[in-house]
Amino acid sequence: KAGVTQTPRYLIKTRGQQVTLSCSPISGHRSVSWYQQTPGQGLQFLFEYFSETQRNKGNFPGRFSGRQFSNSRSEMNVSTLELGDSALYLCASSQGRLNTEAFFGQGTRLTVV
Amino acid sequence: GEDVEQSLFLSVREGDSSVINCTYTDSSSTYLYWYKQEPGAGLQLLTYIFSNMDMKQDQRLTVLLNKKDKHLSLRIADTQTGDSAIYFCAEREKLIFGAGTRLAVHP
Repeated sequence: KAGVTQTPRYLIKTRGQQVTLSCSPISGHRSVSWYQQTPGQGLQFLFEYFSETQRNKGNFPGRFSGRQFSNSRSEMNVSTLELGDSALYLCASSQGRLNTEAFFGQGTRLTVV
Repeated sequence: GEDVEQSLFLSVREGDSSVINCTYTDSSSTYLYWYKQEPGAGLQLLTYIFSNMDMKQDQRLTVLLNKKDKHLSLRIADTQTGDSAIYFCAEREKLIFGAGTRLAVHP
């Protein structure tokens, strides 16, 4: 059974650009959550999607957005990149919203220069 | 809003027990998790506890939950160098994570 796949693994962008990150959940999983991990702030919740609908949202500016497709794959987009957006972006998938286990991908490391 | 807090660092000697603590604010949390992150790797679920339990043991891991104080702890018995990692506690409703506790195991 394939795990959670995030692409790309590494990305370098310049300030002001936009970026789209992709997450393919485990087959059969319908819930995808996104997190930003930085050394200073730890793991911060961005948003959760279930059955193509955003169910929860963290405290991030509107530059951060996401969506989920009918095959449960999810993308997150960050527009007008800032240096502070440099981080490891992790996604997690689970079968349902209240299931016991969420599986994480390896993450996409975004560097903004 | 909901919050999960952990101490940031813990250093133990190999063979000793490690206890990592966590407090949370959301009393409606149904599940509470412990995840482990090794350098350069994603998060791996170690164990979880359902909110109607006080304790759960899984080999070298013991999870204690005090619902009244909203306090969760993870005890690792006979800590090994391979246990060196960052440990995150998380609550299930929004899968809110603590900042992580960096465990360093020294000989």
